[in-house]
Amino acid sequence: DQQVKQNSPSLSVQEGRISILNCDYTNSMFDYFLWYKKYPAEGPTFLISISSIKDKNEDGRFTVFLNKSAKHLSLHIVPSQPGDSAVYFCAASWGSARQLTFGSGTQLTVLP
Amino acid sequence: NAGVTQTPKFRVLKTGQSMTLLCAQDMNHEYMYWYRQDPGMGLRLIHYSVGEGTTAKGEVPDGYNVSRLKKQNFLLGLESAAPSQTSVYFCASTHPRGNQPQHFGDGTRLSIL
Repeated sequence: DQQVKQNSPSLSVQEGRISILNCDYTNSMFDYFLWYKKYPAEGPTFLISISSIKDKNEDGRFTVFLNKSAKHLSLHIVPSQPGDSAVYFCAASWGSARQLTFGSGTQLTVLP
Repeated sequence: NAGVTQTPKFRVLKTGQSMTLLCAQDMNHEYMYWYRQDPGMGLRLIHYSVGEGTTAKGEVPDGYNVSRLKKQNFLLGLESAAPSQTSVYFCASTHPRGNQPQHFGDGTRLSIL
C-alpha cells in the first residue's frame, strides 16, 4: 500500500517553461513534506520542504504547494533549465524519529 | 566537510555470503537511517537509529541487522545475502530538532549473484 504516490514516471518540458511535478499521499499523520532531486549515481539531495501547517513555500525558482484537504502537493519549477533534468522524489515525514516515506519518483527532462 | 560517506560504493556478492556496509557522517547528527532503492520504486526504510546504542526496524528490515556503536557511524549488515537484496543502499542522517531534511550519502550498489 503506497502511502505516497507520484503517478507520473516521467515529464518533459521545454527550457524556460514551467515544470509541475505532483504527489499524492494517504496518511494524515504526515506532518512535513519534502522534495529531493537525484542525479544518476548520486544520493538524493534536498530541494525544498513544507510544513503541514502551511500551503506554500518558495525558494528561488522552486515553489511547493500543499493542499491538505486533497492530500496533494506539487512542485513548480519556473523557469525550467536543462540542469534541472533529474529524478524528483516526493517524501513525507512522520513519527518521533522523523522517518521518511518516499514516492516512486518522476524523471524530469528539460529540453533545450 | 564530507557530509555522509558510504563505503564501499560497489560490491558483488554470492548468495549466502555476508558483508557490512558502513555509513559515516561528520555533521554530529543524532538520527541515522538506512534505505534501499529498487528500480521503479522510491526509497524504503530498512532500519534507523535515534542515537548511539539505539536501533529500530523500518518498513523492510528482514534479512538485515544494524549497529550504532558510535554516534558518527551506522553499520548495515547482511548475514546471508540473497538475490532479493540486490539493490542500491542509501544512508542518511539528520538533526532531531525541528523539521530538518535528511542528508544522504551517494549510495552503495550491491549485486547478489
